[in-house]
Amino acid sequence: AQKITQTQPGMFVQEKEAVTLDCTYDTSDPSYGLFWYKQPSSGEMIFLIYQGSYDQQNATEGRYSLNFQKARKSANLVISASQLGDSAMYFCAMRDPNAGNMLTFGGGTRLMVKP
Amino acid sequence: DGGITQSPKYLFRKEGQNVTLSCEQNLNHDAMYWYRQDPGQGLRLIYYSQIVNDFQKGDIAEGYSVSREKKESFPLTVTSAQKNPTAFYLCASSDLLAGAYNEQFFGPGTRLTVL
Repeated sequence: AQKITQTQPGMFVQEKEAVTLDCTYDTSDPSYGLFWYKQPSSGEMIFLIYQGSYDQQNATEGRYSLNFQKARKSANLVISASQLGDSAMYFCAMRDPNAGNMLTFGGGTRLMVKP
Repeated sequence: DGGITQSPKYLFRKEGQNVTLSCEQNLNHDAMYWYRQDPGQGLRLIYYSQIVNDFQKGDIAEGYSVSREKKESFPLTVTSAQKNPTAFYLCASSDLLAGAYNEQFFGPGTRLTVL
């Protein structure tokens, strides 16, 4: 069974600074995908970034980058130059390729950006 | 505009009643999903469907039922057998393309409250 762990229930970051949100995972399948989603207070889920288990390089998408350490089974999200609009819940998720592309989610981290 | 719509946004149910949550997508995605989110927690999969007229149980399917009669529609019925249905319900869809991210796109959610 797949498992995703996010150990930081809440974090503060000063505007314009970088912040790292932790995510560790557990799976016995050699082929998997890792996703990060942002959930503002409105409740919608916004896709941020994807990392495949066979990708050689860490994924980047604008101000978002993924620090993928396969041996440690971690996929931490790095947000550079934080903005007030980054305040939200952030979820790490893993795709199960053997179960219809379903996602297993971590418990989330609430990020609060201070002006 | 392509996307996923869910209705209603807010739903109130009396104990013992069945209610149906609507989910429609015009993204031409093959797969659709229903997730439940409890306050302060991550998302948990209820049901998913990869093709019309076929669907699979997720981690917490008890007390729920679905149908997939059309590619673009995947309604969820919360039955009276679901003992604690008050939650935020999110519908999602994705492609199932080999070699692609196949990220899930989410609807705006339905907040169900049992009175």
